[in-house]
Amino acid sequence: DVKVTQSSRYLVKRTGEKVFLECVQDMDHENMFWYRQDPGLGLRLIYFSYDVKMKEKGDIPEGYSVSREKKERFSLILESASTNQTSMYLCASSSTAERYEQYFGPGTRLTVT
Amino acid sequence: EDQVTQSPEALRLQEGESSSLNCSYTVSGLRGLFWYRQDPGKGPEFLFTLYSAGEEKEKERLKATLTKKESFLHITAPKPEDSATYLCVVLGYSSASKIIFGSGTRLSIRP
Repeated sequence: DVKVTQSSRYLVKRTGEKVFLECVQDMDHENMFWYRQDPGLGLRLIYFSYDVKMKEKGDIPEGYSVSREKKERFSLILESASTNQTSMYLCASSSTAERYEQYFGPGTRLTVT
Repeated sequence: EDQVTQSPEALRLQEGESSSLNCSYTVSGLRGLFWYRQDPGKGPEFLFTLYSAGEEKEKERLKATLTKKESFLHITAPKPEDSATYLCVVLGYSSASKIIFGSGTRLSIRP
């Protein structure tokens, strides 16, 4: 069974802290994605990666960075958390053949105070 | 500019009452249209991919159809467990690798 896991379901951080969100998939997928989901704005793509050590900016990359050192793991980094980064963060993965049939993790609800 | 609009925002049905959800899109050439289901507090779950006008896909009580301007997700004789938010996602040729998520239709089925 397809599985994408995220390191935390809920996270509370203070403004200015460095935050790491981890995502792991066990399907040997080439592509991995990070989204944020906010009420009224839907899902927005932050970054994606189509191979180890490769990354591309999505629609809203500002304030975020990513790391993909291993195929199964994709990390989202908030260099200096701000209150406007309070959101639900969703990780997804897909194969090269079916790039947009994405499998999502359960999400991390991040609150920055 | 590529755009995706879903309607209605929310829909409440009685168990067994069939209906349709709409997804209207504007893209410069459609590469693919995707439907996802999202339960509260969970990540979206992939349902269907449609590539060309006239195409239809079915899964249990759900049937997705596609025209040149919109897609419909028909739900036949729904059950309470079909309650969820249904997301339409569009990928156009002009947007390269970027996909556009609709804001979703929140479906509630009363027993």
